[in-house]
Amino acid sequence: NAGVTQTPKFRVLKTGQSMTLLCAQDMNHEYMYWYRQDPGMGLRLIHYSVGEGTTAKGEVPDGYNVSRLKKQNFLLGLESAAPSQTSVYFCASSYSIRSSYEQYFGPGTRLTVT
Amino acid sequence: AQSVTQPDIHITVSEGASLELRCNYSYGATPYLFWYVQSPGQGLQLLLKYFSGDTLVQGIKGFEAEFKRSQSSFNLRKPSVHWSDAAEYFCAVGDPTGNQFYFGTGTSLTVIP
Repeated sequence: NAGVTQTPKFRVLKTGQSMTLLCAQDMNHEYMYWYRQDPGMGLRLIHYSVGEGTTAKGEVPDGYNVSRLKKQNFLLGLESAAPSQTSVYFCASSYSIRSSYEQYFGPGTRLTVT
Repeated sequence: AQSVTQPDIHITVSEGASLELRCNYSYGATPYLFWYVQSPGQGLQLLLKYFSGDTLVQGIKGFEAEFKRSQSSFNLRKPSVHWSDAAEYFCAVGDPTGNQFYFGTGTSLTVIP
């Protein structure tokens, strides 16, 4: 039982390049989330998914797209990376969307955009 | 709007000393309250949570937190800190009426021998 895994762990992009971050969970959770973590700002929700084939915007969705083609996977895409997207990205999953349910987090992806 | 405040950006304590990390929230009713810990290079792990009932909540790794409605606070405590407790600690609140979830900005804990 690996929990929540993220690929890659580190990445450096040039401005304008694109990339996809992969999140996978093996807990059969319906709900998955992408956060970004920046110094002094805590975690901010980018997008989330309430089930296979459905996604929704979070607090800071601009510049990102997501897809949930399979229940266990949640992809975060950057079509044209910008230096402002330099951050640590965390994926999480939970059994329920209700805020009372624990979210399980992956180890994070550190992205630098130069 | 809901908000979570962790007033202390960084705290340093000696190993074996007691610890208290502060968390204040702004919400119209009693939200769900959580403390997460993030060890270096790791994701966040749930330490404890409060929904209702007894205002003193026990968590993993010897941590506890006390909900004080009058102060809108949910402070995290540990009687005796271990070097392995050095990490970033996040307070979070959940909206009981929906699915919104908010994190504080975190408190970084350094433990000195």
